[in-house]
Amino acid sequence: EPEVTQTPSHQVTQMGQEVILRCVPISNHLYFYWYRQILGQKVEFLVSFYNNEISEKSEIFDDQFSVERPDGSNFTLKIRSTKLEDSAMYFCASSLRDIYEQYFGPGTRLTVT
Amino acid sequence: KQEVTQIPAALSVPEGENLVLNCSFTDSAIYNLQWFRQDPGKGLTSLLLIQSSQREQTSGRLNASLDKSSGRSTLYIAASQPGDSATYLCAVNSGGGADGLTFGKGTHLIIQP
Repeated sequence: EPEVTQTPSHQVTQMGQEVILRCVPISNHLYFYWYRQILGQKVEFLVSFYNNEISEKSEIFDDQFSVERPDGSNFTLKIRSTKLEDSAMYFCASSLRDIYEQYFGPGTRLTVT
Repeated sequence: KQEVTQIPAALSVPEGENLVLNCSFTDSAIYNLQWFRQDPGKGLTSLLLIQSSQREQTSGRLNASLDKSSGRSTLYIAASQPGDSATYLCAVNSGGGADGLTFGKGTHLIIQP
């Protein structure tokens, strides 16, 4: 069964460093999403991406964040200058259409020290 | 702003019992509602998606209902098993398009053998 994959599973970085989180969505899906979950808190929407551009973004997704689909399979989230409060589990998701079921990857645990 | 609440926050029942998890949302103008399962330190597994025009969906021992006008959904688990132990998350799509999902905090379910 097709699945969303994410790498790395765990990333440790120092405050102020740039990180890139990678995702491979399900191959025929058209909509891609990033969410985050701070330990003990709700899963929060960050951004959605369709047709090679951002479709929607939350207030969390400020200028420190960017997304890209560099080729036909990968979808990346970049955090330019990490802060301690960026420590969280980051989930990538994809869906075939906009209001169809979203499928989530296993997540990347980001630890900022 | 859409808010999603899940009750109870935690539930512990003996194996074999039928149980109901509750989800409520403040804005009834939703496009769909999705139930997920999250195991500790893992990603989200989609269980059921109910479109706004539907009243219920079934998958195996799981049945989800939706009452959009009252802003409620329930997830019914029949004949619970220890393997059902996990956190169950409810999420709504309020914006349509490629809007992200708004999640509840989840119900932490333990099935005692």
